Amino acid sequence: DAGITQSPRHKVTETGTPVTLRCHQTENHRYMYWYRQDPGHGLRLIHYSYGVKDTDKGEVSDGYSVSRSKTEDFLLTLESATSSQTSVYFCAISGLTDEQFFGPGTRLTVL
Amino acid sequence: GENVEQHPSTLSVQEGDSAVIKCTYSDSASNYFPWYKQELGKRPQLIIDIRSNVGEKKDQRIAVTLNKTAKHFSLHITETQPEDSAVYFCAASITTGGGNKLTFGTGTQLKVEL
Repeated sequence: DAGITQSPRHKVTETGTPVTLRCHQTENHRYMYWYRQDPGHGLRLIHYSYGVKDTDKGEVSDGYSVSRSKTEDFLLTLESATSSQTSVYFCAISGLTDEQFFGPGTRLTVL
Repeated sequence: GENVEQHPSTLSVQEGDSAVIKCTYSDSASNYFPWYKQELGKRPQLIIDIRSNVGEKKDQRIAVTLNKTAKHFSLHITETQPEDSAVYFCAASITTGGGNKLTFGTGTQLKVEL
């Protein structure tokens, strides 16, 4: 597996609380992505980054924000978590080629 | 935006048989089509991909075909084995050489029975 880690791996939180998920890579890849995976929907892109401090919205960005202050770290923040954001979140990276490689995922439950 | 449809949602085959999973896409500008395999509780793993300038690509027991005119692409697995049991996802994107926003299909649960 590519050098991608995600933290935490599991989290249970309550509605209305802020949550930050971290993706860390050791591949020095330029591009990083956040996806969510839900039954019946496959994987859907939330936000992506094409460089330090360069980010853009994906298909399902409402309720999420991201930051990338270093090449190796891409943070996903839920400012005020809702039950609809209960999901498995995957980070992915890609470099000079088009192939995207995924991290191990974070299972988030919002009660 | 791009829309990717994937069929079937579940597929059961006998060990040694072939399996075919089909996807269609909507944006004629899409030029990159990867396939991912995801085992239960694991991350998606890239197994093969194809670009729009190629009609077919093979890697051992796995092959992918692309029909740009019809805007569909398929994954073919021959001589299936129990370890092929997993969920398979197709995806499509427009890429200009580094960085691309993948749109995924909804997945196919493949079960290879002994």
